[in-house]
Amino acid sequence: QSALTQPASVSGSPGQSIAISCTGTSSDVGAYYYVSWYQQHPGKTPKLMIYDVSNRPSGVSNRFSGSKSGNTASLTISGLQAEDEADYYCSSYTSSSTYVFGTGTKVTVL
Amino acid sequence: QVQLVQSGAEVKKPGASVKVSCKASGYTFTSYYMHWVRQAPGQGLEWMGIMNPGGGSTKYAQKFQDRVTMTRDTSTSTIYMELSSLRSEDTAVYYCARDGGSFYVFDSWGQGTLVTVFS
Repeated sequence: QSALTQPASVSGSPGQSIAISCTGTSSDVGAYYYVSWYQQHPGKTPKLMIYDVSNRPSGVSNRFSGSKSGNTASLTISGLQAEDEADYYCSSYTSSSTYVFGTGTKVTVL
Repeated sequence: QVQLVQSGAEVKKPGASVKVSCKASGYTFTSYYMHWVRQAPGQGLEWMGIMNPGGGSTKYAQKFQDRVTMTRDTSTSTIYMELSSLRSEDTAVYYCARDGGSFYVFDSWGQGTLVTVFS
């Protein structure tokens, strides 16, 4: 199972919106609505930000939103803030009953 | 609240095995599956496998199929991950992560265990 493809880095100025893509195949991202997103600050454990493509867990800011089209999912961060600077990973359930993560994206707030 | 507390850092020689533990509290241990995920230094997250603490069934990533074993002790609400035939590329932080029940997510994470493979 190959990792899902994400851009290595994305940057934006405070207040701007950015989007991170997550491209898989018809056996993972394209097959299910079981795509989730995780935020990881340096030296910290990952934190669930989005589940089932577009749902936010309790306590996660509504500045974070998710969507999916075909084999590509996306995470959008609106009103970018300094605290959003972190690594972000997507994950998907697969047709083999396994899970796969994305390659990870470093978000930089300029 | 959900807590997953992992065992401490390990240093192993190539060819050895390592067994990492993850003690769960704050919820019914047998009601939620548990994943293991690893992260090599400066690298991304990699899914290793999942275990049903209730029935003991497991599903491993193909990459680790021959080297990983996940077990549990329901009396202490602890899950274990053993990785054998260690090589330098196995140097990583190993996380246990609770499955989200009816949601296909990793909703709570252990603090991570650094395993260093060093000759």
